[in-house]
Amino acid sequence: DGGITQSPKYLFRKEGQNVTLSCEQNLNHDAMYWYRQDPGQGLRLIYYSQIVNDFQKGDIAEGYSVSREKKESFPLTVTSAQKNPTAFYLCASSPTGNRSPLHFGNGTRLTVT
Amino acid sequence: SQQGEEDPQALSIQEGENATMNCSYKTSINNLQWYRQNSGRGLVHLILIRSNEREKHSGRLRVTLDTSKKSSSLLITASRAADTASYFCATDPFSSGSARQLTFGSGTQLTVLP
Repeated sequence: DGGITQSPKYLFRKEGQNVTLSCEQNLNHDAMYWYRQDPGQGLRLIYYSQIVNDFQKGDIAEGYSVSREKKESFPLTVTSAQKNPTAFYLCASSPTGNRSPLHFGNGTRLTVT
Repeated sequence: SQQGEEDPQALSIQEGENATMNCSYKTSINNLQWYRQNSGRGLVHLILIRSNEREKHSGRLRVTLDTSKKSSSLLITASRAADTASYFCATDPFSSGSARQLTFGSGTQLTVLP
């Protein structure tokens, strides 16, 4: 079955540590996205990539970094510069070139103490 | 920036009743999409309505779009307990750039009581 896999489901880190969230897709989609969701709120775009080796900042990119070395993979690093990193992180993908819907993974809940 | 805003924030109904959620947005759009999110899970796409469409149906779902009022509604008929979830609208803006960024609202939490 095609889909998006995010791992781990739960992640705990100490303040000051960088942490990398994994996102892998086998849908052969060109575009991938990272969103952040805080309790009771909608999704805010962190970074997106429309093609391998290229990515753009979203609305809240500060304190985050990404890479897109392979079509299937779009890892997100939450750095120590992110002031409030505790949140639910969602990865999504879509075919590029059309206005199609997003396919989402099941998220990673990051808790930083 | 969050363009779409859902109303109400929370809705509680009895099984078998209809549920209506509304979404308002601010700028011109290519399309508007509705997504569902079960607690602690990712979003699942429900339905997409293009800016030149006024109504669309999918099973028990009915979506309307009024571009003059910049608003959309999602109707779930004959609701079931399994429909309990958060529902989000997302707008695909009519932008001049090639970058495509959906903008999500803050969602409506629907609870269907058995």
